[in-house]
Amino acid sequence: EAGVTQSPTHLIKTRGQQVTLRCSPISGHTSVYWYQQALGLGLQFLLWYDEGEERNRGNFPPRFSGRQFPNYSSELNVNALELEDSALYLCASSPSTSLRRETQYFGPGTRLLVL
Amino acid sequence: AQTVTQSQPEMSVQEAETVTLSCTYDTSESDYYLFWYKQPPSRQMILVIRQEAYKQQNATENRFSVNFQKAAKSFSLKISDSQLGDAAMYFCAYKDTDKLIFGTGTRLQVFP
Repeated sequence: EAGVTQSPTHLIKTRGQQVTLRCSPISGHTSVYWYQQALGLGLQFLLWYDEGEERNRGNFPPRFSGRQFPNYSSELNVNALELEDSALYLCASSPSTSLRRETQYFGPGTRLLVL
Repeated sequence: AQTVTQSQPEMSVQEAETVTLSCTYDTSESDYYLFWYKQPPSRQMILVIRQEAYKQQNATENRFSVNFQKAAKSFSLKISDSQLGDAAMYFCAYKDTDKLIFGTGTRLQVFP
């Protein structure tokens, strides 16, 4: 069974630009989560999508946004990039979170460098 | 708000020995889930083990086991018969209704 996939693996952008990161969940999973792992800040929850809807977002500015498509894949968009957006962006998926017990499985991440 | 604390930034162990990584958390909830994830140099987060708070029995996965003390809000990971491939960052995580809340991680080095 294929795991969570993310693209691209690496990305270099300049300040002020916009970027789109993509994630495909494990087959059968309907929930997608985005996390940011920035140096010195640890892993921070960004966004949660389930059944095509944004269900929750972390403490990030509105220039971080995303969406989930009918096939449950997801995009994370970051506008007006700032230097501190440089980080590893991790996507995770799980079956529907109607049950709290569902485990999140992670993709390999996209490393974003903002110059 | 829930918090997760890993007080050991780095640990080391010799191959074939046993090591224990510590984790404490704070929550007012009674029903929740706890996880240990491993992040090797490849940066992929890999699930090691999980524990459901309503279960008193400690979870075990092969060489990995946990010591879950609900009253003390403690969730340590024991790695037995350590192998070179166990070298990685280990993150403890608490699962809220949706998101995971992570500790700051413990870097484990394994020496031959």
